Amino acid sequence: NAGVTQTPKFQVLKTGQSMTLQCAQDMNHNSMYWYRQDPGMGLRLIYYSASEGTTDKGEVPNGYNVSRLNKREFSLRLESAAPSQTSVYFCASSFGQGRGGGELFFGEGSRLTVL
Amino acid sequence: AQKITQTQPGMFVQEKEAVTLDCTYDTSDQSYGLFWYKQPSSGEMIFLIYQGSYDEQNATEGRYSLNFQKARKSANLVISASQLGDSAMYFCAVFGGTYKYIFGTGTRLKVLA
Repeated sequence: NAGVTQTPKFQVLKTGQSMTLQCAQDMNHNSMYWYRQDPGMGLRLIYYSASEGTTDKGEVPNGYNVSRLNKREFSLRLESAAPSQTSVYFCASSFGQGRGGGELFFGEGSRLTVL
Repeated sequence: AQKITQTQPGMFVQEKEAVTLDCTYDTSDQSYGLFWYKQPSSGEMIFLIYQGSYDEQNATEGRYSLNFQKARKSANLVISASQLGDSAMYFCAVFGGTYKYIFGTGTRLKVLA
């Protein structure tokens, strides 16, 4: 099984450019999440989708937008990239119910550099 | 709001010894889950152990155990018989009624030969 697949794995942008990070899961999970990881900051939640058709802001939503395209796919868009958005981005998914939401499954991460 | 605090940025442990990684949490939810993840230098996130807020027994998974003290809002990870491969970042997380998983800042563990 592929699990959680996110693309691209690496991206370099110039300030002001836009891009979309794609994420897809094949585990029939209800909930999907986007995190960013910065040194010393741990994983911070950007946006999440508890179920298909819903999205909510996390801890650090400014500068990002998301789309839950269907049950499988959850994309993250940077409309006008800034150097402060240089980070490693993780997509994750879970059943979102039972056993404390269930185990969170992660993609491999996408390393984004904004110059 | 949910919050996780991991106060140990870095820890050292001698191979074959046990080590405890601290985690305290704050949540207003009555029902919640606590998780620990490992992130080796290769970058992937590996699920280690889960504890439910209503579980009466501490969770165990092989060499990992979770020391759950509900009244103190503490969910420490204990790794027994440390191995060199245990060197990694370790993250504690809480899941609650708002369907969010909130993570702490992590503890970097180094196992010494």
